[in-house]
Parts: sequence; C-alpha cells; structure tokens
Amino acid sequence: GAGVSQSPRYKVAKRGQDVALRCDPISGHVSLFWYQQALGQGPEFLTYFQNEAQLDKSGLPSDRFFAERPEGSVSTLKIQRTQQEDSAVYLCASSPPWAERAFFGQGTRLTVV
Amino acid sequence: GDSVTQMEGPVTLSEEAFLTINCTYTATGYPSLFWYVQYPGEGLQLLLKATKADDKGSNKGFEATYRKETTSFHLEKGSVQVSDSAVYFCALSEEGYNKLIFGAGTRLAVHP
Repeated sequence: GAGVSQSPRYKVAKRGQDVALRCDPISGHVSLFWYQQALGQGPEFLTYFQNEAQLDKSGLPSDRFFAERPEGSVSTLKIQRTQQEDSAVYLCASSPPWAERAFFGQGTRLTVV
Repeated sequence: GDSVTQMEGPVTLSEEAFLTINCTYTATGYPSLFWYVQYPGEGLQLLLKATKADDKGSNKGFEATYRKETTSFHLEKGSVQVSDSAVYFCALSEEGYNKLIFGAGTRLAVHP
C-alpha cells in the first residue's frame, strides 16, 4: 500500500472489554513499532518487531497488553480488560532495513468508557 | 535513561515571523535527532533529521543543528506560514536502533 494503515481509526470500548488494533505496514518494511500517545503528550514506545520476532517489549505497560506479528507483516496490538487509563491514540510505524526514519500510520484512537 | 525535553506551547505567531522551538536531549551514546510534525487530522511525518554532531537537517524552510556540546537540536524557520500550524515533536534514537524517544510536543499556531 501507499502508507502504513491502521484500523479501526476509532474504537470505543467499555471498561473490562478486550480490544484488538491492527497495523498494516508498508510492504517490505522489516521493522515495526507500536507507540501510545496520551492526549497532549508525545508518543511513548510500546514494542518493536523485526520481521516476526518481537525484539523489545519493554514499553508495554502491563501484562494486559500483547502484540504479535506472526508472518512478519501485519501486526495486532491486543489490550485485555481495558481500563480508563488505556484511553489514548495507538500509533504504528514501520521502517525499511537500515533506514533511519519511521513511517507512521494515522493511529487508532481508543476511548475506554 | 534517554529523554527529550522541548519547550511548552502553544506558540502563537503572526505570518512571516521567525520561529524557534527549543529541544534538548539526554542520551548515553551518540543518538540521531529528529523533528516530526503532526498536521491536524494527519499522522506523524518526518520533518528533518541529523545523525551526528554539527550536522544540520533542513526541509521546507525549517532547520535544526545537532549541537553535542549543548545537547540541543532547536528547530528554526525564518518566516512561518499559516500552513505551518501543527504540533512539532523532537525525538531521538540510539545508534543502530530505530526506536524513537519523543518530547511532549509543541503546538504552533500561525495567524494571518
């Protein structure tokens, strides 16, 4: 595709509900990142994949957060038993090998009510 | 750990005014430095970058110079336009790794 695609663009979840957020990176991009952006703040790193391998998950805030990229392309960020503090925009970014720039999707805005 | 601090906004300017948005960083190694921009309703876009000390990144009339001695990467533009209204994020990544650490963002509003 032309860019990084994320779906859904908006998600409203009731507290305690599980959600799944999808990221379609640019074709051929080896690296994939997830970030969480709270209102009025900069994005904060959640996790990093190189192909299908999750090499860094140090930013995941709790064990309710889980990410996967089973075939090295599409990635899913899953949040179990959502809480109000999970409300944020979740950004996905991809980059080609050895490139020092990231291409960001438009994000999924999650609101937990 | 590594961190980025940028000036708080909002910054409000008249068209054709000079812009400076300050950014300082803390890092253990030799990071690359970036400015990303988020226009209303759009995703983050890379504006410019610099990968080593004294490098100057530039794009669309914006410039920033990597100053190792002051650990700074201030964004400047000589004459802003209404279309520059956006949120600007300073960021760093450690060498060999594309994970980005962002500042909190600075909202710029330019009025005619």
